[in-house]
Amino acid sequence: AQKVTQAQTEISVVEKEDVTLDCVYETRDTTYYLFWYKQPPSGELVFLIRRNSFDEQNEISGRYSWNFQKSTSSFNFTITASQVVDSAVYFCALSAWDTGANSKLTFGKGITLSVRP
Amino acid sequence: DTEVTQTPKHLVMGMTNKKSLKCEQHMGHRAMYWYKQKAKKPPELMFVYSYEKLSINESVPSRFSPECPNSSLLNLHLHALQPEDSALYLCASSQEKGGTSLGADTQYFGPGTRLTVL
Repeated sequence: AQKVTQAQTEISVVEKEDVTLDCVYETRDTTYYLFWYKQPPSGELVFLIRRNSFDEQNEISGRYSWNFQKSTSSFNFTITASQVVDSAVYFCALSAWDTGANSKLTFGKGITLSVRP
Repeated sequence: DTEVTQTPKHLVMGMTNKKSLKCEQHMGHRAMYWYKQKAKKPPELMFVYSYEKLSINESVPSRFSPECPNSSLLNLHLHALQPEDSALYLCASSQEKGGTSLGADTQYFGPGTRLTVL
C-alpha cells in the first residue's frame, strides 16, 4: 500500500532563511506521481508541483525547488529566502496504482511552516 | 484558468436540517472529487466522479449524498448530520482524459466550505 511520511510536523524560521520540507514515500508501483500542495490559513489547497516517477530531474521555480531521489524514495521541497507569505501547511502526496485500477491521492500529515518577520 | 468554485463558504446547520454544498469548474475536467478535512489533518477522500459516474465511494455514511448533474457541477447533499461531521469540505477536479487512469492528473482544489453542525 502507498504511504507518505512527512516526519517534520512544525517548522519555524525567520524571514530570508532557507527551509527544506522533507517527504518520504512508499509504493510498490513503478509508475506513480508525486505532488506538493500548499494550504494557507484561508483553507484552499494550492497545487505547487507534480512529478512522475520516470522524471528524476530536479526542478526550480523561483524561490521554490524540489529534489526527487528514487534511491531514497524522497521528494523534498526547499524554499529559498523564505517570506512571511510562505507561512502555510504543506502537504506531500502520492498517486499510485498498486492497490487497484483507480488511484487516489495519499497525503502526508502535512508540515506547518511559520515564517517570522 | 485553474479555478474551482465552491458555495457556500461557510455553513452552520442543525442535525435535522437538509442542506447542499455546491462545486463548479469550467476547465473541461472530467473527474471531480469531494474531500473532508478536519483541523490539523490531511484531506480524506469521500467520493470521486469520473465522466459523471461515481467511481469511488470511500464508505461514506449515507447522510452524505453526492450528485453530479453534469461535467461541470458537483453537489454534496447533507441530511441528519452529526456534530463530528463539522469540517472543511473541499472539492477538486482533474482532467482525466479518456484512456488515462484515474489519479494520474493533477487535482485542482476549490476554497472549501467550512461546515459546522450544531
